Amino acid sequence: GAVVSQHPSRVICKSGTSVKIECRSLDFQATTMFWYRQFPKQSLMLMATSNEGSKATYEQGVEKDKFLINHASLTLSTLTVTSAHPEDSSFYICSASPGRTEAFFGQGTRLTVV
Amino acid sequence: DQQVKQNSPSLSVQEGRISILNCDYTNSMFDYFLWYKKYPAEGPTFLISISSIKDKNEDGRFTVFLNKSAKHLSLHIVPSQPGDSAVYFCAASNNNNDMRFGAGTRLTVKP
Repeated sequence: GAVVSQHPSRVICKSGTSVKIECRSLDFQATTMFWYRQFPKQSLMLMATSNEGSKATYEQGVEKDKFLINHASLTLSTLTVTSAHPEDSSFYICSASPGRTEAFFGQGTRLTVV
Repeated sequence: DQQVKQNSPSLSVQEGRISILNCDYTNSMFDYFLWYKKYPAEGPTFLISISSIKDKNEDGRFTVFLNKSAKHLSLHIVPSQPGDSAVYFCAASNNNNDMRFGAGTRLTVKP
């Protein structure tokens, strides 16, 4: 099956620093990539949708200057959490979609800001 | 605006019995629906899907039912097994490649 690689799986950073998370589709071209944040009570919140070569579309309430998304190619999207704070600590998941009938997820990244 | 809703945050079922997970959506433009299963600290994995031209899709122990008039879909797992214990997310997409997920339902299958 299709594989989406998300890296790193875990990261601990100091408050005020930036962290970059990569999401790669390994065996297909992803026209669209999605970034999610999972909250403690399991809910999966869509943060933004990105299409290759264009600006990401952010969901209401998500700060685009804080969560920078770059979809540089059809196989790579990055999420950069800028000036991270402890409240940004969460589990971030990307998914890549070759078309609207499928979405494949990365393994997730556990971000801890200390 | 929660366009896809899973109103039950959790469900507990005895092994061997049927698990029924429900999902409602509000946007009539959604025409393709998917279910994902998620274990802790992992990304969701695809389980089963259904197009709006169908009302039922079956794959082994998993069956998804779609009621378009009610904007409702459900996932049936029969018989339930302890390994099915996970969080299940439903998702809906439209022809603009817009995919939305529900908040998830945690299923616990007791031995």
